Amino acid sequence: SQQGEEDPQALSIQEGENATMNCSYKTSINNLQWYRQNSGRGLVHLILIRSNEREKHSGRLRVTLDTSKKSSSLLITASRAADTASYFCATLKAGGTSYGKLTFGQGTILTVHP
Amino acid sequence: KAGVTQTPRYLIKTRGQQVTLSCSPISGHRSVSWYQQTPGQGLQFLFEYFSETQRNKGNFPGRFSGRQFSNSRSEMNVSTLELGDSALYLCASSKGTAQETQYFGPGTRLLVL
Repeated sequence: SQQGEEDPQALSIQEGENATMNCSYKTSINNLQWYRQNSGRGLVHLILIRSNEREKHSGRLRVTLDTSKKSSSLLITASRAADTASYFCATLKAGGTSYGKLTFGQGTILTVHP
Repeated sequence: KAGVTQTPRYLIKTRGQQVTLSCSPISGHRSVSWYQQTPGQGLQFLFEYFSETQRNKGNFPGRFSGRQFSNSRSEMNVSTLELGDSALYLCASSKGTAQETQYFGPGTRLLVL
């Protein structure tokens, strides 16, 4: 079963605009990771944020984490048509028994129009 | 460094058959996790192996099993296939500690007829 939810389920924007996706989760976490998936292929890792971090940047990506609200957001700035993909957040539950077990949200389908 | 590789990439089987999927992790990675992705259930964790030992298991029936070899390569097996087993099966590798990123392979798409 899914740990949480992503919002929105689908997002359609024009090239050059910013895209913001949100993720909520239910339990205490060790870290949260964002992945991108193109057309049913493998997942590409974008960024990992630890539970004691509040914000991370990587190129055009900015991720925030609010553990008090159990939520995270992914911002893609100056989007490009090549950013069209599904985006997933995945959490690693806190505690010593979560080895290798990421729990995924349902994903946000992002479409960037040229 | 080569990425995670999975074989085969596509597979068609009929109900009742069994199937074995293979995953080769990134060199130096000792942990391999397996996931099933379907349109209805999304991405779900199957199991994780580290140094040939299963450390974690998801909520799947016993028809789903796996193993890991001494070179960290992993296989998963599904016996008595059902139509609902049609899915994209993804494996991911990492060094094995909690804070490590999991790197995913391209997946094996299984169709059960």
